Amino acid sequence: NAGVTQTPKFQVLKTGQSMTLQCAQDMNHNSMYWYRQDPGMGLRLIYYSASEGTTDKGEVPNGYNVSRLNKREFSLRLESAAPSQTSVYFCASSFRTLVAYGYTFGSGTRLTVV
Amino acid sequence: AQSVTQPDIHITVSEGASLELRCNYSYGATPYLFWYVQSPGQGLQLLLKYFSGDTLVQGIKGFEAEFKRSQSSFNLRKPSVHWSDAAEYFCAVGAPGTASKLTFGTGTRLQVTL
Repeated sequence: NAGVTQTPKFQVLKTGQSMTLQCAQDMNHNSMYWYRQDPGMGLRLIYYSASEGTTDKGEVPNGYNVSRLNKREFSLRLESAAPSQTSVYFCASSFRTLVAYGYTFGSGTRLTVV
Repeated sequence: AQSVTQPDIHITVSEGASLELRCNYSYGATPYLFWYVQSPGQGLQLLLKYFSGDTLVQGIKGFEAEFKRSQSSFNLRKPSVHWSDAAEYFCAVGAPGTASKLTFGTGTRLQVTL
């Protein structure tokens, strides 16, 4: 099925461990995004990639890195996980950065850092 | 920068009753406006969007929203709620332009009683 696929769906990390969240889309979209969702705070943008080969910081980039591996894939890396990074992470994509197109979201990765 | 406020954290309605979810935005001109719905454990699904033209916008699942420039509002409505509408609803705003990103509200959780 066409859409945005995120892996893994669930993950538990110990403080200080690292991991990479994977995201892939098969809609030939140019732009991709990583958001985190926390109770009472809505969705906050971590990083985005307007097109293949470019990445930029969003509202809450500290503690994260990203890689736009190719047009389809956009990964989010936590180098040294902290309890404050416990959250649900969503990847999204859009045809272009022009927001009129709206975003297509993946089903999320629920991350717990203990 | 744009911002969006959803003043109601939690709303409970009876099945068959009408629904209105409030959304207020802050932006100097006419923004792009969206409503997304998130079912438990799922990603966000686009309900409807507005960026120009008729101020009453029809979406999926029987939802509609009305853009009111004078009130900086984009409230979501449904004439008769179904139990399956129980979910979290997010309003989002984006500034017209190729480099803009969506900014999300904190969400309103809808509970439907039978």
